[in-house]
Order: sequence, then structure tokens, then C-alpha cells
Amino acid sequence: GDSVTQMEGPVTLSEEAFLTINCTYTATGYPSLFWYVQYPGEGLQLLLKATKADDKGSNKGFEATYRKETTSFHLEKGSVQVSDSAVYFCALTRSNDYKLSFGAGTTVTVRA
Amino acid sequence: EAQVTQNPRYLITVTGKKLTVTCSQNMNHEYMSWYRQDPGLGLRQIYYSMNVEVTDKGDVPEGYKVSRKEKRNFPLILESPSPNQTSLYFCASSFMKGSNQPQHFGDGTRLSIL
Repeated sequence: GDSVTQMEGPVTLSEEAFLTINCTYTATGYPSLFWYVQYPGEGLQLLLKATKADDKGSNKGFEATYRKETTSFHLEKGSVQVSDSAVYFCALTRSNDYKLSFGAGTTVTVRA
Repeated sequence: EAQVTQNPRYLITVTGKKLTVTCSQNMNHEYMSWYRQDPGLGLRQIYYSMNVEVTDKGDVPEGYKVSRKEKRNFPLILESPSPNQTSLYFCASSFMKGSNQPQHFGDGTRLSIL
């Protein structure tokens, strides 16, 4: 079945540091890939998405590129802020399926 | 404001006492689903619905029921809750224009079953 594996946390960084969260997936066909973010006490919000190979999703300074050859969708941000502290989830949906398959989540804490 | 509203946000109850978690969305979305979030496991789908009166099991449906009598509402029912259902629950909704549609999540319901 489909699965998503993301790097384990927690990750602690200083402000303005570079952030990478690795995500790899296993799925048949051509899934759509997502990063969701969960701020403390809130639900998940879509951060960015990519729907086909080599697509790059970007939002709020975050980027991720859909790499079919390595089945990866790593999240990056060049300079994090304290407000980026959250739990980040990598997820996928298969074609013609609306179920999101999630990774375990990575907790990121950014210190001033 | 477009939103998915869940109630209650927190609930502590005892084994065997039936409970319902409500979910309502105001975006006219066809697709609605319930997930549970557990540490180290991410979110797993419990049930989903593609339209009124159309529901189906997700990955972890045991011990749960749902109904979809109206498009906007999708309640989650625990007929006889047990401690292993202690978890953080999220309702989500989206349009059905393709599997790349973003899903909108509620703020979550934290259930503790003693």
C-alpha cells in the first residue's frame, strides 16, 4: 500500500538557520504530494503541493520539489523564523482517491 | 469565513459511554473524512464520505460509525468507547475536482477515554 516516510524529529534550530525535512514515498501510479503544517492547538493547513514530476511547490518561503526518480518530496526553507515552529506532515493522494496518506510528522522548534 | 468546525474540542469520558463528535463545513464540499492522530503514526483515516448518504471505511474504522444526512455535517459516533480510542481527531473536507484538491481541517477534538 501507499506509505510516506519522513525524517524523525524533533528538530531544533536557531532563527535564520536552514531547514530541511526529508520525505520519501511509496505509491503506485502518479500521486499528488503535499506538505501540511500544524501550529500548536490548531488543525492542519496546506503549506504547499505538487501534482506531477519535477513540479516545485512553494509558499511562505518553503519549497519542495516532486522527484519521481528518487520518490522524494523534501521540504526546505532558507531562513526559518520562530513563527515556523510547528509540526510538519508530508502526505500523498493517489489519482482518483481523496484519502491523504500521512507521514508521522516532524516537530520543528525554532529558537530566537 | 470558510471553515470546518468540530465540537467538542476536548472531552474526557469513561469506557462504554456513547459519544458523538460533530463536524460541520460551510464550503459546500462534497468530500468529508475523519482522521485520528497518534504519536509516531501521523494521521490515519477512519471513515470518509463522498456525498450525502455515501460513506465508506478508511484504514482504521473499527469502533466508529459515521453518518452523512446533510452535505455540511459529518458526525463521528463512538457507540462504546474504549481506552484505545483516546486520541486527537480531525475532520476534513474538500471539493471533488481531483485528488490534488487541498483538504481543509478542523481544529481537532482531543478525546480521553478512561
